[in-house]
Amino acid sequence: DTGVSQDPRHKITKRGQNVTFRCDPISEHNRLYWYRQTLGQGPEFLTYFQNEAQLEKSRLLSDRFSAERPKGSFSTLEIQRTEQGDSAMYLCASIAGFFSGNTIYFGEGSWLTVV
Amino acid sequence: AQRVTQPEKLLSVFKGAPVELKCNYSYSGSPELFWYVQYSRQRLQLLLRHISRESIKGFTADLNKGETSFHLKKPFAQEEDSAMYYCALEAAGNKLTFGGGTRVLVKP
Repeated sequence: DTGVSQDPRHKITKRGQNVTFRCDPISEHNRLYWYRQTLGQGPEFLTYFQNEAQLEKSRLLSDRFSAERPKGSFSTLEIQRTEQGDSAMYLCASIAGFFSGNTIYFGEGSWLTVV
Repeated sequence: AQRVTQPEKLLSVFKGAPVELKCNYSYSGSPELFWYVQYSRQRLQLLLRHISRESIKGFTADLNKGETSFHLKKPFAQEEDSAMYYCALEAAGNKLTFGGGTRVLVKP
């Protein structure tokens, strides 16, 4: 499968612990996005990268959240001092180029449960 | 700020019946609108986009700027159409704003 891959697929953590998710986009896709999806809701934009530059962060991304894409390839999303409200699916997506005619491809998501 | 609304959480129809999923949006610019679908145990994937004006799997959607709507329609639903459907609006930077989703259940 050469699509967007995410790891881990499921994570259960205790409140207060740190967690990190990894996303490997489709090769040569220069834009990478993180979304969050809670039960019964559509995905919500968190942040995106163009190559290694983080171009925008949503207000949903509190200071406990940090995302990186150090070499313009894979990306990580870290959540520090997790809270129960962080329980959600974290989706990664990538797209080639800069035109709206291109298609965004999503990964399968990483489920986070904070207990 | 942009907003996408899908008023129906669940649509249940019989096989062969028409199905229409409603989507309304608010956006100050010229909208780029999409329908995404998520089948059971599969990832979110693009179904169709308004600029293509194409029919995918028998589905069509027409952008009505006057009513700020982008409803998805299929004249004869099939069981394999059972899935979650999300309407989405694309803003600058290819960022998507999604609606809350509509679950379609096609009964035999």
